[in-house]
Amino acid sequence: EIVLTQSPDFQSVTPREKVTITCRASQSIGSSLHWYQQKSHQSPKLLIKYASQSISGVPSRFSGSGSGTDFTLTINSLEAEDAATYFCHQSSNLPRTFGQGTKVEIK
Amino acid sequence: EVQLLESGGGLVQPGGSLRLSCAASGFTFSNCAMSWVRQAPGKGLEWVSAISGSGDNTYYADSVKGRFTISRDNSKNTLYLQMNSLRADDTAVYYCAKWVGGAVAGPFDYWGQGTPVTVSS
Repeated sequence: EIVLTQSPDFQSVTPREKVTITCRASQSIGSSLHWYQQKSHQSPKLLIKYASQSISGVPSRFSGSGSGTDFTLTINSLEAEDAATYFCHQSSNLPRTFGQGTKVEIK
Repeated sequence: EVQLLESGGGLVQPGGSLRLSCAASGFTFSNCAMSWVRQAPGKGLEWVSAISGSGDNTYYADSVKGRFTISRDNSKNTLYLQMNSLRADDTAVYYCAKWVGGAVAGPFDYWGQGTPVTVSS
């Protein structure tokens, strides 16, 4: 099973700051890494697919990078509506696995 | 508009059974692989099971293998999860999620709102 480890677990950020969340895979997964945003009491929403590909309708301040075992989700100029938990997810191998999540709080 | 509407959750005793359903609309259901993903209270996401668009191929997490069965009725645009021998650690919100294509590959592009399952005596 591929283990995805996110860091940090929690981040408290001021609006307009830049946020960086990392996801490390226990073995190489190429670019088969996707990011989701889950707001309180809502279902997850796809933000970035295949490490760096943007999703229609997602604000351009969200971007992704990386390949192999190390991946990054960047939120440029954080807005209040971005308060949420962010999860990475790998589709390289079965079982599909998720990172433990990174909660982003707005100061 | 893509919609995934889960139902069938509830309170069940340990050892009991439940059948979850996910009614899909807004896309060609038979063309898309589907999955169940669960989230225990205050915890992260755990992939549970998946099924190809045709229904020919099914996949399970080790934690549910032999107890849960995923199926689909493409004539009714509905996904199912039959859960038997339920345990306390199966307590979670269960989401259905769709893939873009017929194979179990890539990201989940849409998720339902979830249905809660509580296993307790």
